[in-house]
Amino acid sequence: DAKTTQPPSMDCAEGRAANLPCNHSTISGNEYVYWYRQIHSQGPQYIIHGLKNNETNEMASLIITEDRKSSTLILPHATLRDTAVYYCIASRGATNKLIFGTGTLLAVQP
Amino acid sequence: DGGITQSPKYLFRKEGQNVTLSCEQNLNHDAMYWYRQDPGQGLRLIYYSQIVNDFQKGDIAEGYSVSREKKESFPLTVTSAQKNPTAFYLCASSIPSRAGDTQYFGPGTRLTVL
Repeated sequence: DAKTTQPPSMDCAEGRAANLPCNHSTISGNEYVYWYRQIHSQGPQYIIHGLKNNETNEMASLIITEDRKSSTLILPHATLRDTAVYYCIASRGATNKLIFGTGTLLAVQP
Repeated sequence: DGGITQSPKYLFRKEGQNVTLSCEQNLNHDAMYWYRQDPGQGLRLIYYSQIVNDFQKGDIAEGYSVSREKKESFPLTVTSAQKNPTAFYLCASSIPSRAGDTQYFGPGTRLTVL
């Protein structure tokens, strides 16, 4: 599975959009991009995933560049409850072994 | 309510004792996983099981054992051979999908070995 690179931390004002970047320059054609988040001392929560096309659900939007070497998770209206560590993962999903790095700590400020 | 349950939430054991962590799911998922998380770190895969009565080692299986006798249950035993067992343990399950598998996680068990 491809390695991903994320900034260690980001701040966002409450009510504004939070844009979390992820680089996955070695991603292969059959690897999906997954996003999870983990609030302190809880299990990770699935947010969204995609292969090539942009995706949107009730939680977030996922924008994947045309060359698939990077992606951005967008939380359209961040709230204080969105403060968490966000993990970007590239995985084939076959054995579904998810490799979690250290992620991005998003701090939503009031 | 469908989901994954792990018990207990906090567990304390003396050094040298084996301890078994419970993981149950009622999502009818075929695959189940155990991860370990240390402070400030990401998750590392211990064991996974794609089907009943079958399981494979993950990246850090030494000192751990599992069983998968029922689809709903995937208990993890932390043995005395595990050198640094104090950690946060997470169980997950997934079902194959043409749109990419998705893992769903339980709330975790925090194990402290004294």
